[in-house]
Amino acid sequence: AQSVTQPDIHITVSEGASLELRCNYSYGATPYLFWYVQSPGQGLQLLLKYFSGDTLVQGIKGFEAEFKRSQSSFNLRKPSVHWSDAAEYFCAVASGGSYIPTFGRGTSLIVHP
Amino acid sequence: EPEVTQTPSHQVTQMGQEVILRCVPISNHLYFYWYRQILGQKVEFLVSFYNNEISEKSEIFDDQFSVERPDGSNFTLKIRSTKLEDSAMYFCASSTGSLSYEQYFGPGTRLTVT
Repeated sequence: AQSVTQPDIHITVSEGASLELRCNYSYGATPYLFWYVQSPGQGLQLLLKYFSGDTLVQGIKGFEAEFKRSQSSFNLRKPSVHWSDAAEYFCAVASGGSYIPTFGRGTSLIVHP
Repeated sequence: EPEVTQTPSHQVTQMGQEVILRCVPISNHLYFYWYRQILGQKVEFLVSFYNNEISEKSEIFDDQFSVERPDGSNFTLKIRSTKLEDSAMYFCASSTGSLSYEQYFGPGTRLTVT
């Protein structure tokens, strides 16, 4: 069965600093990978997704993620964080057999001014 | 921009009572989903619905749960006899198609069972 690990429960960064949120997955074949963001009181919004092709994926709000098969990772990055990026971030994986994503536990991003 | 809406935002109920959580998916979407997130835990898939029938469900979605699309706009999740462990945030989502299409999530309904 597929699974997702987000090892960091909380991440604190200063505004303007770079960001990397870690995600590791467990799945035998090529996975479908997603990053979602959830702002307080809001639903989950898709930031970006990887299905195939270029392993560096660009998303909305200046985010990008890189699929590294050798490390079973799909880390989310942003070069300069804004205060409005403070939110909960979820990594998810789906397989070719089921389009239903399995979510990680989430990482809470705190942005200091 | 069209969005998925959910009502109520917060529902408090007593153990053993029935609850219905309501969702209005985006109007041209064909696939509908329910997820739940117990406080501090992962978002978990409950059920997907397409063409007026359940297309996939998880082991969490037992006989106490049911879904319905009673009209052309609403998509409901019913819990027949709530248990304390049903307390969670319930998210509805919809999409135009299956895997390659983005799922749009609603803001969630927080269910508290006392």
